[in-house]
Amino acid sequence: SAVISQKPSRDICQRGTSLTIQCQVDSQVTMMFWYRQQPGQSLTLIATANQGSEATYESGFVIDKFPISRPNLTFSTLTVSNLSPEDSSIYLCSGRQGARKETQYFGPGTRLLVL
Amino acid sequence: AQSVTQLGSHVSVSEGALVLLRCNYSSSVPPYLFWYVQYPNQGLQLLLKYTSAATLVKGINGFEAEFKKSETSFHLTKPSAHMSDAAEYFCAVSDPSGTSYGKLTFGQGTILTVHP
Repeated sequence: SAVISQKPSRDICQRGTSLTIQCQVDSQVTMMFWYRQQPGQSLTLIATANQGSEATYESGFVIDKFPISRPNLTFSTLTVSNLSPEDSSIYLCSGRQGARKETQYFGPGTRLLVL
Repeated sequence: AQSVTQLGSHVSVSEGALVLLRCNYSSSVPPYLFWYVQYPNQGLQLLLKYTSAATLVKGINGFEAEFKKSETSFHLTKPSAHMSDAAEYFCAVSDPSGTSYGKLTFGQGTILTVHP
């Protein structure tokens, strides 16, 4: 299995600012993903983080709002830009290993509150 | 396109009673199916998964699920609930091929409450 950590674990931000979330995996993973979990709701995939190239975004999510980096096989960042109260959510990253490709392991999440 | 429906947003059982959380899926190809658990203020933990091997899958903490293709279901069960099972449970489907490869589609979640 893979152990995934995220920083920060939670934050309170003012509208109009940005928050960058870091995701670190303890072993190499072939695929990394970012999800959003809005209050009381399920998880929605934001994008697939691709190593060394632009992320692949799902419908309804755009790079200007959610820029993502993945410089290597164990690290990724998600930035939530120009924050509004509607961005208040839990953001989770996940990793999927090559040898056991069907399983995704999740980080503990970053709880964001926008005032 | 894939989708997951979890029947019942809230399920309440007594300690020691059977736990049954329902999940139905829709997929154009044979899917991979997962159950995850989320404890309060924590991330998601994998309970069990079905990846086209045995249709009865055993997971952690005494949970198991049975893949029934004819019913497009993957219900989660546990014979005897424990207070520590109180959490939110998510069913998810993954397309093992095609353009959706590797992506998980989640159900809406079921909050399990266990009464003493």
